[in-house]
Amino acid sequence: AQSVTQLDSQVPVFEEAPVELRCNYSSSVSVYLFWYVQYPNQGLQLLLKYLSGSTLVESINGFEAEFNKSQTSFHLRKPSVHISDTAEYFCAVSENNQGGKLIFGQGTELSVKP
Amino acid sequence: DAGVIQSPRHEVTEMGQEVTLRCKPISGHNSLFWYRQTMMRGLELLIYFNNNVPIDDSGMPEDRFSAKMPNASFSTLKIQPSEPRDSAVYFCASSWGGETQYFGPGTRLLVL
Repeated sequence: AQSVTQLDSQVPVFEEAPVELRCNYSSSVSVYLFWYVQYPNQGLQLLLKYLSGSTLVESINGFEAEFNKSQTSFHLRKPSVHISDTAEYFCAVSENNQGGKLIFGQGTELSVKP
Repeated sequence: DAGVIQSPRHEVTEMGQEVTLRCKPISGHNSLFWYRQTMMRGLELLIYFNNNVPIDDSGMPEDRFSAKMPNASFSTLKIQPSEPRDSAVYFCASSWGGETQYFGPGTRLLVL
């Protein structure tokens, strides 16, 4: 069965430090992969996605994620974080034949400190 | 584009009352999803529709929950009767062609 594991529930970092949020998934078929961000008291916003093609995908605000099929991972990275990146981050997977049904990880709370 | 619209944004009700949550998907999208978010269980998919037809309702907790999509621009999630354990944030999302989902701002429900 499809599942998503986010290995860290909380990640505290200092401003301008690099960060990696880890995500592993299990699936027996090809998948689409997503990272969503949720700011306090708001809905989820799409950060970036992998559908096909290049395994490295980037967002407009400096995040990137790399699809690694052999390790079934889709880790999210940013070389230098800002206070404004403080939020909860969700990894999600959709199997290509499931009509868009998303399975979410439990989320990682990123806390950026000055 | 206005994005996915949900109403109400906040709802406080008493146990036993009926609650109706509403969602307007992004125009042109043909898939609609209802999620529930709690601290204990995270984000759970309750039900989703393709072309107004319910495809998978296996996440609906029990018979007290029902969802409808009478047309392509409107959906409701109803809880009757409501219970304190239904307190959560309920999100609606829509997509086109089963690809990227776009989420509404959510309805924060508190059942006393």
